[in-house]
Amino acid sequence: AQSVTQLDSQVPVFEEAPVELRCNYSSSVSVYLFWYVQYPNQGLQLLLKYLSGSTLVKGINGFEAEFNKSQTSFHLRKPSVHISDTAEYFCAVSPVSGGSYIPTFGRGTSLIVHP
Amino acid sequence: KAGVTQTPRYLIKTRGQQVTLSCSPISGHRSVSWYQQTPGQGLQFLFEYFSETQRNKGNFPGRFSGRQFSNSRSEMNVSTLELGDSALYLCASSLDAQGYYGYTFGSGTRLTVV
Repeated sequence: AQSVTQLDSQVPVFEEAPVELRCNYSSSVSVYLFWYVQYPNQGLQLLLKYLSGSTLVKGINGFEAEFNKSQTSFHLRKPSVHISDTAEYFCAVSPVSGGSYIPTFGRGTSLIVHP
Repeated sequence: KAGVTQTPRYLIKTRGQQVTLSCSPISGHRSVSWYQQTPGQGLQFLFEYFSETQRNKGNFPGRFSGRQFSNSRSEMNVSTLELGDSALYLCASSLDAQGYYGYTFGSGTRLTVV
């Protein structure tokens, strides 16, 4: 079984400042890792994913994430945020093998960008 | 191409009633999953269908059921509604059977049970 911990339930930040949203996971097998974003009254949208290869993954809207296997982390970063980045962000993991590949989601981090 | 379409967007039902929610996946996507999203529990997996077969099921009571049709469209049904069933129900589709490419979510159906 897998578990995902998003360490911050809410992250306030000023516009144009950098931001990091933290995600740690636990799994007995190798996993694929994902970040999704949910804007108000909408479904989740895939931001980026790590399957294999380079540990630094770039996604849409200027976001990137780094996979750290030793620390079992997959933190999401953006060097300069905009008001429009205000949303809920979810980290998710799916097992590469070993049965169910259904993703496990974290509880989400609310990113609030202030002008 | 069209995204994942969920209907209706909003629904108000009375305790004890039943409800059916519909999901049309992206064309070509054969895997459809359903999630319940609440402020207290976050995203919880309900079930997943692939080629009309339920392949995975989450830890929900038997009042929650679903099916998938030959055109990959899916429905979920909740019988004997309880107040605690009030939630945003999200449908997600995937191109491949293992979700290798990630999932595309619909905007959800917000169900309110009164």
